Amino acid sequence: SQQGEEDPQALSIQEGENATMNCSYKTSINNLQWYRQNSGRGLVHLILIRSNEREKHSGRLRVTLDTSKKSSSLLITASRAADTASYFCAHSNAGGGKLIFGQGTELSVKP
Amino acid sequence: GAVVSQHPSRVICKSGTSVKIECRSLDFQATTMFWYRQFPKKSLMLMATSNEGSKATYEQGVEKDKFLINHASLTLSTLTVTSAHPEDSSFYICSADHKGETQYFGPGTRLLVL
Repeated sequence: SQQGEEDPQALSIQEGENATMNCSYKTSINNLQWYRQNSGRGLVHLILIRSNEREKHSGRLRVTLDTSKKSSSLLITASRAADTASYFCAHSNAGGGKLIFGQGTELSVKP
Repeated sequence: GAVVSQHPSRVICKSGTSVKIECRSLDFQATTMFWYRQFPKKSLMLMATSNEGSKATYEQGVEKDKFLINHASLTLSTLTVTSAHPEDSSFYICSADHKGETQYFGPGTRLLVL
């Protein structure tokens, strides 16, 4: 299966703490993206990092990409209760086209 | 920008009926749209890739006669679950390809077949 893997599967932290989620994949990629999903809702696009980029920031989000290790991480700094959601990484292969999703990390931020 | 809508958001139907779900890109054109299925606390499973003006490409194990896809315009794709059964109950999400680089997702449709 080409499906990516994410860890941890679940993460529970206190408000104000940082949350780090990791994602690994198996093939050469075009880009890697992170999405957020609130329970019972669609996915919200958070950030895209291209295969020739190593780090990207957006507000309290920081994404890194290590193509030699075929892995990426998403860091949410100064977490808030409203950050509680499931977070998915997804990548498209070098040939382009469909996204391949990781299994997701369920983040719970306690106030 | 890059908003995708889905309708209906929730549908309950009797076993044996067909259900149509619409996916629209509201402020951009999408040659390609995607249909996913998601089980509780699981990741998204790609069902098919919908291409405007041509036949959809289905993933392995997805019955094309069961899940009919029509992408008649650059802003609309429809998924019809034919002769729905309780095992078809799920959360269905569509997405639209944006500039060949990323996908924007609809809010999802929860289908319950009684």
